[in-house]
Amino acid sequence: DAKTTQPNSMESNEEEPVHLPCNHSTISGTDYIHWYRQLPSQGPEYVIHGLTSNVNNRMASLAIAEDRKSSTLILHRATLRDAAVYYCILRDPLAGNMLTFGGGTRLMVKP
Amino acid sequence: GAGVSQSPSNKVTEKGKDVELRCDPISGHTALYWYRQSLGQGLEFLIYFQGNSAPDKSGLPSDRFSAERTGGSVSTLTIQRTQQEDSAVYLCASSLQGSPLRSPLHFGNGTRLTVT
Repeated sequence: DAKTTQPNSMESNEEEPVHLPCNHSTISGTDYIHWYRQLPSQGPEYVIHGLTSNVNNRMASLAIAEDRKSSTLILHRATLRDAAVYYCILRDPLAGNMLTFGGGTRLMVKP
Repeated sequence: GAGVSQSPSNKVTEKGKDVELRCDPISGHTALYWYRQSLGQGLEFLIYFQGNSAPDKSGLPSDRFSAERTGGSVSTLTIQRTQQEDSAVYLCASSLQGSPLRSPLHFGNGTRLTVT
């Protein structure tokens, strides 16, 4: 799988938007971009995924750069419950079925 | 609805003993994954089951590790002759289909294994 690069940690204030960046300069044309998050003492949970177009769901938005070499997960209003480790993962659907998790970004939310 | 259930939630064992970790996936999910996560680290893939196909065992770290999935549902991860480096949280996930593209992974809360 192509490699992703994320900041180790970020801080946000409660009720403000959060933009979590992910760089993936070696992304291939068939790689999908997946985001999962892991709250303390829990297993990871799915957040969102996309290929080329921006995506929105009830949890977040995914903004994908035109050249696909980077993407940004957007939490529109951070809550204390959003404090977690956020993983950006590339997945080629032709290359097998497991997801490879990197180090992720630890998001801290201040009240 | 019920999520992925793992048991026990915590397990302390002595070095050299065998342990069995259990995973109950979401009903109807055909794909099942085992990962492990050492303290402060990311997730490491161990093994993947999809329907009746042969499992993908490419992530198992040694032949002391094995897993089975009976009747396409419950899975058991067995670690023989445990070592201290086996201490980690063992996470199970299931998905409706085999492709994470089409069907996201649903994780349990893991079994925290401590080998003393």
